[in-house]
Amino acid sequence: SQTIHQWPATLVQPVGSPLSLECTVEGTSNPNLYWYRQAAGRGLQLLFYSVGIGQISSEVPQNLSASRPQDRQFILSSKKLLLSDSGFYLCAWSVQAGARLYFGPGTRLTVT
Amino acid sequence: TQLLEQSPQFLSIQEGENLTVYCNSSSVFSSLQWYRQEPGEGPVLLVTVVTGGEVKKLKRLTFQFGDARKDSSLHITAAQPGDTGLYLCAGDPLAGAGNMLTFGGGTRLMVKP
Repeated sequence: SQTIHQWPATLVQPVGSPLSLECTVEGTSNPNLYWYRQAAGRGLQLLFYSVGIGQISSEVPQNLSASRPQDRQFILSSKKLLLSDSGFYLCAWSVQAGARLYFGPGTRLTVT
Repeated sequence: TQLLEQSPQFLSIQEGENLTVYCNSSSVFSSLQWYRQEPGEGPVLLVTVVTGGEVKKLKRLTFQFGDARKDSSLHITAAQPGDTGLYLCAGDPLAGAGNMLTFGGGTRLMVKP
């Protein structure tokens, strides 16, 4: 069966510090991978998606970047965090665009 | 960009009451998914509706896809505290568009015992 891992679960970082969130998927090959951000109690904003190794598409201009160094690994990064980067970050995978999403447990990021 | 509007945004009801959540758009979707999310966790798929007019039931939850495939509803009968959570609809654009799922803003449901 497929599983998706995210870490860390929670993170408190000062403004201006770097960020690295990691997501890995097990039990599937060549998945589509996604990073979403969620404001408190609201819907999901798609940040990045990837259809293959090294292929990253950005949905919104922002202070973040993403990389996919391996087939089942997706990393969300920032060189200098802003207060507005606080939120709940969700990694997800699907077999193709538009198919059901399988979400990870999320990372709660607080920038202070 | 295809938008999905969910209503209401917040709903607080007593155990045993019925409720309906709506997901509306001016665009046509090839299918629509409903997710439920509990605090501090990722969303989990409840159901996917594909055919216009389709009705699917999941215990006390009834999902309907509009005839024109532009809207959907979720009806919960005799709500229970365990139904509390954030309900999200997500539409799959028409086949061939190559676009990602479009999510609604979510409906936060609280069922009080």
